[in-house]
Amino acid sequence: AQKVTQAQTEISVVEKEDVTLDCVYETRDTTYYLFWYKQPPSGELVFLIRRNSFDEQNEISGRYSWNFQKSTSSFNFTITASQVVDSAVYFCALRPYNQGGKLIFGQGTELSVKP
Amino acid sequence: NAGVTQTPKFQVLKTGQSMTLQCAQDMNHEYMSWYRQDPGMGLRLIHYSVGAGITDQGEVPNGYNVSRSTTEDFPLRLLSAAPSQTSVYFCASSYAYRDTEAFFGQGTRLTVV
Repeated sequence: AQKVTQAQTEISVVEKEDVTLDCVYETRDTTYYLFWYKQPPSGELVFLIRRNSFDEQNEISGRYSWNFQKSTSSFNFTITASQVVDSAVYFCALRPYNQGGKLIFGQGTELSVKP
Repeated sequence: NAGVTQTPKFQVLKTGQSMTLQCAQDMNHEYMSWYRQDPGMGLRLIHYSVGAGITDQGEVPNGYNVSRSTTEDFPLRLLSAAPSQTSVYFCASSYAYRDTEAFFGQGTRLTVV
């Protein structure tokens, strides 16, 4: 079975705190893709990052960083020095290889950053 | 280049009514799909298509119908709306042969009363 679990339903932090959103996935495929999307209060889905299963390099983009570890089937997302504008629901998703582009989403983590 | 366009943005239906949610993309993507978003459940796949004339069921297909007569359009039909279909619906598209993300429409908030 293929599955994505985001165990943290809601997280609340104060501005400038660092916060890590957890994502654990299950798949038997050797080739797959992992994604993070952001859903701000306006409701649209904003793409943040894509990783394929053969690329375990961690990535940093400004205040955002991602830690991909195949050994623990995790793809965690860290926001450094959080800001109020980071308040949103964040989704982790798994895309199996060669299955029509379909995405398997986690339940989402609602992040609230308070001033 | 409009990306993925969904219409309408909001809709209220009475139980038993039928309607079609429209989705169009102008990026020549092979893959298109429909998801519904419910609180605490993330997005769940309803139906998807790998190309014109080819569709398949996702995780929650019951009560929905799709067809794909062109590369650009992938409408979702609710045959007889039920309150359990109250949800936010997203259409997405992506390339089949390029290593890129899926692009999403703005969503349709549907309420069935």
